[in-house]
Amino acid sequence: EPEVTQTPSHQVTQMGQEVILRCVPISNHLYFYWYRQILGQKVEFLVSFYNNEISEKSEIFDDQFSVERPDGSNFTLKIRSTKLEDSAMYFCASSSVLAGGPYEQYFGPGTRLTVT
Amino acid sequence: AQKVTQAQTEISVVEKEDVTLDCVYETRDTTYYLFWYKQPPSGELVFLIRRNSFDEQNEISGRYSWNFQKSTSSFNFTITASQVVDSAVYFCALTSNTGKLIFGQGTTLQVKP
Repeated sequence: EPEVTQTPSHQVTQMGQEVILRCVPISNHLYFYWYRQILGQKVEFLVSFYNNEISEKSEIFDDQFSVERPDGSNFTLKIRSTKLEDSAMYFCASSSVLAGGPYEQYFGPGTRLTVT
Repeated sequence: AQKVTQAQTEISVVEKEDVTLDCVYETRDTTYYLFWYKQPPSGELVFLIRRNSFDEQNEISGRYSWNFQKSTSSFNFTITASQVVDSAVYFCALTSNTGKLIFGQGTTLQVKP
């Protein structure tokens, strides 16, 4: 069964460093998303991406964040200068077409980012 | 603005008991979609069900059932004859046509043997 994969599973970085989180969405999906979950809290939307551009982004997704689909398979989230409060689980998700309504989003296993 | 409220923070039951997880939503959209996801201790998010605003028919899938009532803006989830493997955090989520999911705070379900 196709699945969304994410690497690395755990990333430890120092404050101020840049990190890139990688995702491989399900191959025939067209919509891609990043969410984050601070430990013990709810899942929060960061950004959605379609047709090589951002469709929507939340207030959390400020200038420190960027997304890219560098090739036909990978979808990345970059945090330019990490802060302590960026420590969270980051989930990538993908879904099929939106025509007729949003199909279910399939989530990857997550990358736990720890900023020290 | 859209909002999802899961008032039950934690629920603890003994195996084989039935349990209902509540979800109340707010939206001004006439077309919207509701979801339930399960997050087991391993941390991944597992899709359980999607419901659109035009379909109030309740759904049953094995031991799982969902009760969607637009009149009360609720989309409740019942597990019948709970099992230890049902222990997880359950999230209710809402979206309109944009696809952006708005999650509730989650309900932690603990099923004791």
